[in-house]
Amino acid sequence: GENVEQHPSTLSVQEGDSAVIKCTYSDSASNYFPWYKQELGKRPQLIIDIRSNVGEKKDQRIAVTLNKTAKHFSLHITETQPEDSAVYFCAALTDSWGKFQFGAGTQVVVTP
Amino acid sequence: DGGITQSPKYLFRKEGQNVTLSCEQNLNHDAMYWYRQDPGQGLRLIYYSQIVNDFQKGDIAEGYSVSREKKESFPLTVTSAQKNPTAFYLCASTGGNYGYTFGSGTRLTVV
Repeated sequence: GENVEQHPSTLSVQEGDSAVIKCTYSDSASNYFPWYKQELGKRPQLIIDIRSNVGEKKDQRIAVTLNKTAKHFSLHITETQPEDSAVYFCAALTDSWGKFQFGAGTQVVVTP
Repeated sequence: DGGITQSPKYLFRKEGQNVTLSCEQNLNHDAMYWYRQDPGQGLRLIYYSQIVNDFQKGDIAEGYSVSREKKESFPLTVTSAQKNPTAFYLCASTGGNYGYTFGSGTRLTVV
């Protein structure tokens, strides 16, 4: 089955700097890759996603890139702010049932 | 709240007791999912259902049971066979555009 690895597990950045989180997946048939942000004790919220026919997608300060050949995708947050502090999860769609395989998460801490 | 409601928000279970977590959605989504989240870990799939009266085991189904009698509802029962049930439980649904909508979660604690 699909396996998604996410790095790093924790990331501390200064406010205003950029943050990058990387995920690799194993199933070349995976075709949809969402990113979720989860604040402490709350539900994960979809922040950006990318489909396999696209190499890059941007939404204001966040962007996602996909390298299908290498089977990895990354989340980029620019000009980080304290409210970006949260756990971020990547995921890969594994089959037609809509099942996702999630990465283990990255705890991002933005220090003022 | 976001179209998918979980209740209760907090639940306490005694040893040997079965408890049921509720998940209701008004998004007209076909597929629903239950995930378990432990501290410092990702989301692990317990059960999922794509249509009424049908559901499939996920990666960690042992000690759990579900039903899908209505499209809107997908309750999860944590049975006494689940030896380590303390966790944050998340329900999700999707209508085919691939993105999940998550409920607000239930935090289950064994007392």
